[in-house]
Amino acid sequence: SQQGEEDPQALSIQEGENATMNCSYKTSINNLQWYRQNSGRGLVHLILIRSNEREKHSGRLRVTLDTSKKSSSLLITASRAADTASYFCATDLVSSGSARQLTFGSGTQLTVLP
Amino acid sequence: DAGITQSPRYKITETGRQVTLMCHQTWSHSYMFWYRQDLGHGLRLIYYSAAADITDKGEVPDGYVVSRSKTENFPLTLESATRSQTSVYFCASSEFDRGPRFFGPGTRLTVL
Repeated sequence: SQQGEEDPQALSIQEGENATMNCSYKTSINNLQWYRQNSGRGLVHLILIRSNEREKHSGRLRVTLDTSKKSSSLLITASRAADTASYFCATDLVSSGSARQLTFGSGTQLTVLP
Repeated sequence: DAGITQSPRYKITETGRQVTLMCHQTWSHSYMFWYRQDLGHGLRLIYYSAAADITDKGEVPDGYVVSRSKTENFPLTLESATRSQTSVYFCASSEFDRGPRFFGPGTRLTVL
């Protein structure tokens, strides 16, 4: 079963607008990671946020984590056509004692229109 | 200095044949992983390895075999390919067990 689930499944915006994607999860986590996947390519790691952190930034990316609501959001500011990709959250479970439990969601497909 | 590579990038095979997908990383990362990506299922972990000669099952290991005799290589073998194994396969590596994964470009496998 999926631990992290992204919302929405698909998002279409105009270039220059901000894009927000959400991830919800069910059980306690050590950390939550966001990845990007361009069509036909492998996943690229974007940001890792630990359970004791509330917000992290990387360039035009801003990730927030609300452990009380078991949710995270990824904000891409001033989007560009090159941001068109699928975005995945992955959750690292507290209950797991091994590396196997980094569980990926099904992703949000972001399309940025020029 | 390619990072992590996979070969072949595309493979078509027939039901019942043995297929081996190769993965090679140049970072000397301890952890390596095999995932499959299918529509509607996201990425699912097949096998992972914490070090040379240490491997363990993931979520969907049935029908697959792995080995890791050297830190840099982590081949995945489908012993007798089935149509349900048609998928895109990604290899990944990580310096830490809970750290970021670094993914290869993927192998698109079609089993006829």
